[in-house]
Amino acid sequence: ILNVEQSPQSLHVQEGDSTNFTCSFPSSNFYALHWYRWETAKSPEALFVMTLNGDEKKKGRISATLNTKEGYSYLYIKGSQPEDSATYLCAPNTSGNTGKLIFGQGTTLQVKP
Amino acid sequence: DARVTQTPRDKVTEMGQEVTMRCQPILGHNTVFWYRQTMMQGLELLAYFRNRAPLDDSGMPKDRFSAEMPDATLATLKIQPSEPRDSAVYFCASGFFRLQGVNTEAFFGQGTRLTVV
Repeated sequence: ILNVEQSPQSLHVQEGDSTNFTCSFPSSNFYALHWYRWETAKSPEALFVMTLNGDEKKKGRISATLNTKEGYSYLYIKGSQPEDSATYLCAPNTSGNTGKLIFGQGTTLQVKP
Repeated sequence: DARVTQTPRDKVTEMGQEVTMRCQPILGHNTVFWYRQTMMQGLELLAYFRNRAPLDDSGMPKDRFSAEMPDATLATLKIQPSEPRDSAVYFCASGFFRLQGVNTEAFFGQGTRLTVV
């Protein structure tokens, strides 16, 4: 059983605030980590696929870092906007290159205007 | 515009009936996933396939659920008999995974909302 933990479980911020949350995973047999954004009543959409220790990815105001040695990834949102409100899921692939994606419970972000 | 297509979008059925959900993965993708959205477990992996072969279906209740890929363009998830506790949104996703090199992300369909009464 893969132990993926995301924290916090939920987050409420004001528009314009920057925020970040964490995905923790077993560091052994790491192959890749996926981040997804899931808006209410929609389907999850991929943000990043990260593979290298120290990797940093960026898409607009959202960025992510990866530490495979200690088993965590951070997702940052700079200057949160109401349209950033969603659940952010991570799915580490720590069974070698099996391609098996098991998602964490997610961090639900609510940005208040 | 390539996308994963799931049918039906909504299904209401009576307890005990058979339910079949269908998924058309993106052409060229070699991996297909079935997930179930639940309040308790978020996105729960039911099964996944690589090149049409099942790699892991340990997330499925074996006695009533079955998943198949009759061909590369169709994946099916069947529940027989259905029960009220099966009510959920079922998502299919596809991606391209290589033995060497970086894999693509998974692309999700719109989901099938199943209600068993």
